Amino acid sequence: NAGVMQNPRHLVRRRGQEARLRCSPMKGHSHVYWYRQLPEEGLKFMVYLQKENIIDESGMPKERFSAEFPKEGPSILRIQQVVRGDSAAYFCASSPASQGYEQYFGPGTRLTVT
Amino acid sequence: GENVEQHPSTLSVQEGDSAVIKCTYSDSASNYFPWYKQELGKRPQLIIDIRSNVGEKKDQRIAVTLNKTAKHFSLHITETQPEDSAVYFCAASSLRDDKIIFGKGTRLHILP
Repeated sequence: NAGVMQNPRHLVRRRGQEARLRCSPMKGHSHVYWYRQLPEEGLKFMVYLQKENIIDESGMPKERFSAEFPKEGPSILRIQQVVRGDSAAYFCASSPASQGYEQYFGPGTRLTVT
Repeated sequence: GENVEQHPSTLSVQEGDSAVIKCTYSDSASNYFPWYKQELGKRPQLIIDIRSNVGEKKDQRIAVTLNKTAKHFSLHITETQPEDSAVYFCAASSLRDDKIIFGKGTRLHILP
């Protein structure tokens, strides 16, 4: 009965490198959400996915960021050519269905760009 | 889209006293209002939620109230304890879309 899993927990990248963050939802959950949290700030919605579909990516920066949730395997948030401003905690959450259901959060990935 | 405002940003209360955190939302179609607690370095965890068909919900020392007309909802923590110290986020979910919009958080300090 594992909860939402995220890896890695900590990721250090130099400017210009790529960052790949992984999220495995709770068993039976088909809805995944990604959030970004800057130090001392709130949770900012980035993207909502179901298996093989991006439902809402209105919170994603237009460039360098992409997300996927393939039929098999974890959801991946990919950040290309990272910059210092990308340093943040990235949380994913999953839910069994859409609107109006509790979202369960993973432990987060703390990305540091040097 | 939905916009959630949360006040205060920081709150200090004496141990044993009550704490109240208030939020407003903009989208009248919102019908699900969860509250999350986040301890330092940890993940956000749901502590209580309320749906728009009820005005109040209580779970031990925690209660949430909802005023749909005014688009206000509040978290009340009674008999506060040191372990209540954390950041609390309110959130709202609209019928128009499937995402939850969070307030900016309230840092609650319980003073000994």
